[in-house]
Amino acid sequence: AQSVSQHNHHVILSEAASLELGCNYSYGGTVNLFWYVQYPGQHLQLLLKYFSGDPLVKGIKGFEAEFIKSKFSFNLRKPSVQWSDTAEYFCAVSNNAGNMLTFGGGTRLMVKP
Amino acid sequence: NAGVTQTPKFRVLKTGQSMTLLCAQDMNHEYMYWYRQDPGMGLRLIHYSVGEGTTAKGEVPDGYNVSRLKKQNFLLGLESAAPSQTSVYFCASSSIRQPTYEQYFGPGTRLTVT
Repeated sequence: AQSVSQHNHHVILSEAASLELGCNYSYGGTVNLFWYVQYPGQHLQLLLKYFSGDPLVKGIKGFEAEFIKSKFSFNLRKPSVQWSDTAEYFCAVSNNAGNMLTFGGGTRLMVKP
Repeated sequence: NAGVTQTPKFRVLKTGQSMTLLCAQDMNHEYMYWYRQDPGMGLRLIHYSVGEGTTAKGEVPDGYNVSRLKKQNFLLGLESAAPSQTSVYFCASSSIRQPTYEQYFGPGTRLTVT
């Protein structure tokens, strides 16, 4: 069975600080990787996804993530956060059949103005 | 396109009561899913469906039943609600035509069982 770990449960940053959220997964086969964001009171939205090709993936709102296969990691990064990035971030993985997503526990990010 | 919609948005139940949550999607997606979201645990899959008339258990199916009588609708039922089922419930859908099976989520239903 696949599993996803997000190491940071709560992160507090000041505006303009750099962000890196960790995500590690366990699955032996080919995977598709996702980062979703949930703004306060809203539903989950896709930030970015990886399924093949360039391991550095760029998403919306200046976010990017790097797939490092040897480390089973898919960390999310942003060079300079804004107050509007305050949200909960979820890493997720699906196998090549694609119909089952496994989510990490989420990281709650607070950006102070 | 409305995308994925859920009704109701909020509900309070007493222990032992029953209810049905409705999920509808207008994207002609084949797959539909029900998740529950609890603090610190991310989203956990309750049940899913790969097509009309078919359903399957996810990670936490106990206490829930589902039905997919029409392709666009996926119903989640609680026959006898328990306080442990207090949670936020999200429905999602995805298409087999997309190579990564990206899932699209509804706005959620906040359920409280007292």
